[in-house]
Amino acid sequence: DVKVTQSSRYLVKRTGEKVFLECVQDMDHENMFWYRQDPGLGLRLIYFSYDVKMKEKGDIPEGYSVSREKKERFSLILESASTNQTSMYLCASRTSGGKLFFGSGTQLSVL
Amino acid sequence: AQSVTQPDIHITVSEGASLELRCNYSYGATPYLFWYVQSPGQGLQLLLKYFSGDTLVQGIKGFEAEFKRSQSSFNLRKPSVHWSDAAEYFCAVGDLNTGTASKLTFGTGTRLQVTL
Repeated sequence: DVKVTQSSRYLVKRTGEKVFLECVQDMDHENMFWYRQDPGLGLRLIYFSYDVKMKEKGDIPEGYSVSREKKERFSLILESASTNQTSMYLCASRTSGGKLFFGSGTQLSVL
Repeated sequence: AQSVTQPDIHITVSEGASLELRCNYSYGATPYLFWYVQSPGQGLQLLLKYFSGDTLVQGIKGFEAEFKRSQSSFNLRKPSVHWSDAAEYFCAVGDLNTGTASKLTFGTGTRLQVTL
């Protein structure tokens, strides 16, 4: 079965810190995604990648960047964390048939 | 732009009762539609998807959904709810382009509570 692994389940960071959220998938999927999930807002797409070194902005990219140096790894970067980036972050990879597989999420708190 | 509306934020049903969760979408072409479930503390799991063909699709855990193009809806149903179905449910619309246009848009979710 496909496995999408997010490196941390919980993270606490301070305002202004640079934060890296890591995501690894083991099924050679080309498409990978970063979403944030907030109560009452559902999942909102931050960035996605459709190939190595290829990325595209989602609906809410401000304050974030991404890196995809290898096919299996897709990193989300908060250059200077702010309190409004406190959220649950979900990584996903997608099969060619359209099925998304999600990681279990990283709950980030920015103090 | 594509969008998804889940009008019910929270629904409570009794165990054994039937369930229908509503989903309306806006999409410029033939949509690809999905329902995902998220149990507390977990990531999202795909329940079912509609790409084409039969408008009534069967999913896992006894769920089904019906695509109605005239109503731009894709409602999720289950004839008899179990206590373990308590979770948050997300409807999503998107496409399967492998290029830059490929992405899913999710609704805001419906939280299901099941009473015994």
